[in-house]
Amino acid sequence: IAGITQAPTSQILAAGRRMTLRCTQDMRHNAMYWYRQDLGLGLRLIHYSNTAGTTGKGEVPDGYSVSRANTDDFPLTLASAVPSQTSVYFCASSEADTYEQYFGPGTRLTVT
Amino acid sequence: GQNIDQPTEMTATEGAIVQINCTYQTSGFNGLFWYQQHAGEAPTFLSYNVLDGLEEKGRFSSFLSRSKGYSYLLLKELQMKDSASYLCAVREGDYKLSFGAGTTVTVRA
Repeated sequence: IAGITQAPTSQILAAGRRMTLRCTQDMRHNAMYWYRQDLGLGLRLIHYSNTAGTTGKGEVPDGYSVSRANTDDFPLTLASAVPSQTSVYFCASSEADTYEQYFGPGTRLTVT
Repeated sequence: GQNIDQPTEMTATEGAIVQINCTYQTSGFNGLFWYQQHAGEAPTFLSYNVLDGLEEKGRFSSFLSRSKGYSYLLLKELQMKDSASYLCAVREGDYKLSFGAGTTVTVRA
């Protein structure tokens, strides 16, 4: 059982470029989340999805978009990357009745 | 929105006990979580409190007082492997969590 996988592990991206971070879970969890983690600020929610076909905005959604075409996949897209989006990005998922969130290994993104 | 406060750093000796406090302000409380995160790794779930009182899991315990907006994580019999960041998170309403900035615990021999 893989749990949650994220790709790529790390990426250096030029400002202005488009980038999609991939997230896949095999636990059949209904809810999925994208967070960014910055030093001193902790984990901040970017977007979330309570079930396939629905998405919602978190605390810091600007500059990011998501889609949830099926239960397993929840990609995060940066349409035009800016240096302030340099961060570590974590994808997570949870089942409705336990609420415990399981995190992927993270993607370290540097925008230059 | 939520304000979640926890100390930035704590240091303790191997074998000792450390208590990490977390205070929060929320308009609709629906559970408090503690996660552990080792450097360079993903957060992993430690505990969940939704009712007042103490939840014990081996060397780790978590306490909640909803009326005071207060929780603590107690780590007993500290081991070197417990050196990590500990994240307090509050759920408000549906599945979403709001995290504190984390407390870095350093265990010294």
